[in-house]
Amino acid sequence: GAGVSQSPRYKVAKRGQDVALRCDPISGHVSLFWYQQALGQGPEFLTYFQNEAQLDKSGLPSDRFFAERPEGSVSTLKIQRTQQEDSAVYLCASSLAGTSKFFGPGTRLTVL
Amino acid sequence: AQSVTQLGSHVSVSEGALVLLRCNYSSSVPPYLFWYVQYPNQGLQLLLKYTSAATLVKGINGFEAEFKKSETSFHLTKPSAHMSDAAEYFCAVTHLGAGSYQLTFGKGTKLSVIP
Repeated sequence: GAGVSQSPRYKVAKRGQDVALRCDPISGHVSLFWYQQALGQGPEFLTYFQNEAQLDKSGLPSDRFFAERPEGSVSTLKIQRTQQEDSAVYLCASSLAGTSKFFGPGTRLTVL
Repeated sequence: AQSVTQLGSHVSVSEGALVLLRCNYSSSVPPYLFWYVQYPNQGLQLLLKYTSAATLVKGINGFEAEFKKSETSFHLTKPSAHMSDAAEYFCAVTHLGAGSYQLTFGKGTKLSVIP
């Protein structure tokens, strides 16, 4: 596609619900990243994929967070048993290896 | 370890005035530095980047930034602000080598342009 797309753009969840956030990277981009941006803060790194391999998940805040990219293209970030502190904008980015990242518009998650 | 400090969470300038957004970094290895812009409800767009070539870097939309190692700074400037420049700006740092994919962002500076 022309750019990185993310869906849904907005998600409201009740505390304790599971959510799944989708990222469609730019076609051919081998690297894919997830960032979390809390209100009034800069984005913070969550996890990194190269093709289907998750090479770094050190930024995932708890074991309730899980990301996958099974075919090396679309990625899903799953959050289980959502908590209020999970409310944030979740940004996905993709890149060719070693080049600049292209960011998607983000998914704004609100946990009530 | 690496970090970024952006001085001033909000900056207001008049249309046509100089834009100066400040960024200081901390890095134990030679840094790569970036400025991104974020318009409301949109993702981050790369304005410019420094990757150890020329210290004065020109980007899109008339922005430029100068890498000053002695001051550990990478301030963003534009000679004349336009209304369309109103957005939030993020400075970010990474480095060459292991872990270079991991950008560390500052908290952002929201730029308002007054007509």
